[in-house]
Amino acid sequence: AQSVSQHNHHVILSEAASLELGCNYSYGGTVNLFWYVQYPGQHLQLLLKYFSGDPLVKGIKGFEAEFIKSKFSFNLRKPSVQWSDTAEYFCAVTPYTGRRALTFGSGTRLQVQP
Amino acid sequence: NAGVTQTPKFQVLKTGQSMTLQCAQDMNHEYMSWYRQDPGMGLRLIHYSVGAGITDQGEVPNGYNVSRSTTEDFPLRLLSAAPSQTSVYFCASSSHVAPFEQYFGPGTRLTVT
Repeated sequence: AQSVSQHNHHVILSEAASLELGCNYSYGGTVNLFWYVQYPGQHLQLLLKYFSGDPLVKGIKGFEAEFIKSKFSFNLRKPSVQWSDTAEYFCAVTPYTGRRALTFGSGTRLQVQP
Repeated sequence: NAGVTQTPKFQVLKTGQSMTLQCAQDMNHEYMSWYRQDPGMGLRLIHYSVGAGITDQGEVPNGYNVSRSTTEDFPLRLLSAAPSQTSVYFCASSSHVAPFEQYFGPGTRLTVT
């Protein structure tokens, strides 16, 4: 079974700092990769996704993620965070074939200080 | 277009009680899932469905039942609530066109005492 690891559980940054959140997965086959975000009091929302092609994918609100197959990683980045980016971020993976459901990481709580 | 709706938003149960968490979507999505979210553990899949009449177990199905009699509704039943089922429950749906792009409901916060 696949699993997802997010090693940063709680990250505190000042506004304008750069962000990188780590995500590693374990699965031997082809995968689809996602980052979801949960703003305080809101639903989970899809931030960005990778299915195939260019390993650098861009999502909403200036976020991007890079898929590095050799490292089984899909790290999330943003050059300059804002206070409004304060949220919990979840990495998720699903195999290319099979069950239509996601395996989530444990999440990273990002706190951006003004 | 309400998306994915869940009721109730909050619920407190006593150990041994049963209840049903409701989930409905108005996007005509084929796939629906139930997750529970616990601190430090992310979201874990309880049950999912690929269409009306078809359900399957996820990672943590014990203590929960589901059925899918219509495309729109996917209720989650707790048969005999236990304190270990205290959690936030999320329902999600997706279409066969983009099956992995899931739309989530607002969640139900359940406490079992």
